[in-house]
Amino acid sequence: DAGITQSPRHKVTETGTPVTLRCHQTENHRYMYWYRQDPGHGLRLIHYSYGVKDTDKGEVSDGYSVSRSKTEDFLLTLESATSSQTSVYFCAISGERSPGELFFGEGSRLTVL
Amino acid sequence: DQQVKQNSPSLSVQEGRISILNCDYTNSMFDYFLWYKKYPAEGPTFLISISSIKDKNEDGRFTVFLNKSAKHLSLHIVPSQPGDSAVYFCAAALLNAGNMLTFGGGTRLMVKP
Repeated sequence: DAGITQSPRHKVTETGTPVTLRCHQTENHRYMYWYRQDPGHGLRLIHYSYGVKDTDKGEVSDGYSVSRSKTEDFLLTLESATSSQTSVYFCAISGERSPGELFFGEGSRLTVL
Repeated sequence: DQQVKQNSPSLSVQEGRISILNCDYTNSMFDYFLWYKKYPAEGPTFLISISSIKDKNEDGRFTVFLNKSAKHLSLHIVPSQPGDSAVYFCAAALLNAGNMLTFGGGTRLMVKP
């Protein structure tokens, strides 16, 4: 199994506070992704990275920023959390069994009060 | 505007019978289609995929069918087992766009013993 860990796994915070979620991989994959999962919407891409310091926006990037200073770490930051950002966040790296395959972490559940 | 849709939020099937999960898409440029399975409190896991140039792919109890003219794909599980109870997401990939996946909203499958 690919080594991908997310932290924290659960977080409760208040509106207006900054939040950073971390994704760490041990597979040396070039591509890393952040998705959010919400009922009825499936998973939606927030940002992705195609190398150190190389990132791009996804479908729902407003209110989020990312950084990748090392191959193994991809950080997702909510500069000022809002209740609409309450969600489960998944990090992913490219898989090897099929074109298009992604291997997901276990998720980080964020609640913004 | 959802490019990938799963119109059935839930499906209930008796153990041993066939489960058929459906997915529709609108973008004819998608290269690959994938199915993911998700258990509670876990990340999605890759199940099976199909290239846009194929119409069928089989892996054990799982078969995916693609009808390009109808922009429709389906996942067949035969025979269904209680352990198959999970949320299933279909996804579509544009391989020349950073391997990004567009997901449907998911279908919750319940297999009754």
